[in-house]
Amino acid sequence: SQTIHQWPATLVQPVGSPLSLECTVEGTSNPNLYWYRQAAGRGLQLLFYSVGIGQISSEVPQNLSASRPQDRQFILSSKKLLLSDSGFYLCAWSIRNREHYGYTFGSGTRLTVV
Amino acid sequence: GQQLNQSPQSMFIQEGEDVSMNCTSSSIFNTWLWYKQDPGEGPVLLIALYKAGELTSNGRLTAQFGITRKDSFLNISASIPSDVGIYFCAGQSSGGSNYKLTFGKGTLLTVNP
Repeated sequence: SQTIHQWPATLVQPVGSPLSLECTVEGTSNPNLYWYRQAAGRGLQLLFYSVGIGQISSEVPQNLSASRPQDRQFILSSKKLLLSDSGFYLCAWSIRNREHYGYTFGSGTRLTVV
Repeated sequence: GQQLNQSPQSMFIQEGEDVSMNCTSSSIFNTWLWYKQDPGEGPVLLIALYKAGELTSNGRLTAQFGITRKDSFLNISASIPSDVGIYFCAGQSSGGSNYKLTFGKGTLLTVNP
């Protein structure tokens, strides 16, 4: 069966420090991968999605970047964190080219920038 | 882009009461999905709807795919404390290879025991 792993679960980082959040998917190949941010426990904001290795689409210009070095690995990064980067970050995957299956989310990373 | 209007934004109910929430869109979707997010966790899929007019149940949850394909509702019967969380609707369009989901802003449900 397919599983999605996301780490770390919580992170406290000072302003100006770098960031690296990792997400991996097991049990499937060629997934679509997504990074979402959720502020204040409410709406889901799509940050990046990827349909293949090295293929990244950005939905919202900001202080973050994403990379997909391997088929089932998706990394969210920042060179210098801002206070406004605090939030709950969620990785998700879906089956490529298959309608009706929706997304499966990871358990999230709570990032607090201090 | 596509937008979903989800209402209500929040609900405070007593244990045992029934709950209803809905989503509307100006665009047609081919799939409607309902997710629940427990505090501190990622959203989990509750119900998926694939055809206009479809009515699907999952235990105490019932959801319907609107006949116009532009709306969906979710009902929870006889609520219990563990129903607390944020409920998201999501619509999925076909076309292209991405099948991106459009999410509503969520309904925050609080159940008082």
